[in-house]
Amino acid sequence: ELKVEQNPLFLSMQEGKNYTIYCNYSTTSDRLYWYRQDPGKSLESLFVLLSNGAVKQEGRLMASLDTKARLSTLHITAAVHDLSATYFCAGPAGGTSYGKLTFGQGTILTVHP
Amino acid sequence: DTAVSQTPKYLVTQMGNDKSIKCEQNLGHDTMYWYKQDSKKFLKIMFSYNNKELIINETVPNRFSPKSPDKAHLNLHINSLELGDSAVYFCASSRWGQPSSYNEQFFGPGTRLTVL
Repeated sequence: ELKVEQNPLFLSMQEGKNYTIYCNYSTTSDRLYWYRQDPGKSLESLFVLLSNGAVKQEGRLMASLDTKARLSTLHITAAVHDLSATYFCAGPAGGTSYGKLTFGQGTILTVHP
Repeated sequence: DTAVSQTPKYLVTQMGNDKSIKCEQNLGHDTMYWYKQDSKKFLKIMFSYNNKELIINETVPNRFSPKSPDKAHLNLHINSLELGDSAVYFCASSRWGQPSSYNEQFFGPGTRLTVL
């Protein structure tokens, strides 16, 4: 069954800096999801990556997927305070099985002035 | 125009009580899920229904019983609540099948359950 590991688990950044969150997964997967969670709130879908080499960008966030390396990255460019949140990656638990998602531990991002 | 809604948002109860959480989605999805998020923010799937049929049933105590009266609703009933049941419970929904993009899950606001 799929195992998903994120690093770092805690990330403290200064505004204006760049950083990358890494998401490694254990078995072949045909897709990868990124979610954002604000404190006390729900999970908001950020990106759905569906193929090897997929890259998606939204504002200061860019996600990519390398299925051969079993690695997805979430790159933050010129961080701003509003990006402070917990970020989760998730993949289908059986690699391609529908529905059942396995989540990473989450990365708590704090952006300081 | 809430997509996935849950009630109640907060639930505080005593050990041994029975409680229910309700979930409704208006996205036209055919698959719904219950997740548990513990105090360390770890998310784990509990159950999933596709077209009212149970398709995922993780290792969850029998005290937890989901029910899906129709595709748009999924409820969670918990008997004999224990301290360890304290968590945030999220409902989610998605479409099922191909293409893979259909399986993107949309989450409800969560129900924070506190067992005293």
